[in-house]
Amino acid sequence: DVKVTQSSRYLVKRTGEKVFLECVQDMDHENMFWYRQDPGLGLRLIYFSYDVKMKEKGDIPEGYSVSREKKERFSLILESASTNQTSMYLCASKTGDKQYFGPGTRLTVT
Amino acid sequence: QKEVEQNSGPLSVPEGAIASLNCTYSDRVSQSFFWYRQYSGKSPELIMSIYSNGDKEDGRFTAQLNKASQYVSLLIRDSQPSDSATYLCAVDRSNDYKLSFGAGTTVTVRA
Repeated sequence: DVKVTQSSRYLVKRTGEKVFLECVQDMDHENMFWYRQDPGLGLRLIYFSYDVKMKEKGDIPEGYSVSREKKERFSLILESASTNQTSMYLCASKTGDKQYFGPGTRLTVT
Repeated sequence: QKEVEQNSGPLSVPEGAIASLNCTYSDRVSQSFFWYRQYSGKSPELIMSIYSNGDKEDGRFTAQLNKASQYVSLLIRDSQPSDSATYLCAVDRSNDYKLSFGAGTTVTVRA
């Protein structure tokens, strides 16, 4: 079974803080993704990576950056957290054309 | 126009009935189509994939694809309370690694 883990299930941060969300997959997948999910808006792609040190912007990259130093780990960084970044963040790993999701991190920015 | 649109729901069906979920997409060259199930507070879980026109059956689930109409559907037969969840339709974006997701349809199966 594919296993995708995320560092925290719940996180509360203050406005202006730098926030790191970690994602690890154990299946040697090349492609990894970060989404945010908001009610009524579905899943929106923030960034994705198709190889180590390779990254591309998704649909809503503003206010975010990513890091992929090792194949199994893909990190999402909020440079200066804002209240409109309060959301559920989902990491996914891909094999073939199927994406598998981690458990999600519920981030609240106050 | 959104890339992927689903009937907004919520959809309430009695136990044992058929739940029918619909999805339309705008990118005519899309080749891969997926249905994910997401229980409240959980992450999406892949339940069906379909690539060719017609029907694909997996247990109580049937996915239907009509590329000419840019339409994909999911039927849940003999619905059970455990099927109560939000169902997300996802469509590949011209094979460039990415998926576009619909907003989801919430299904409630009444015992």
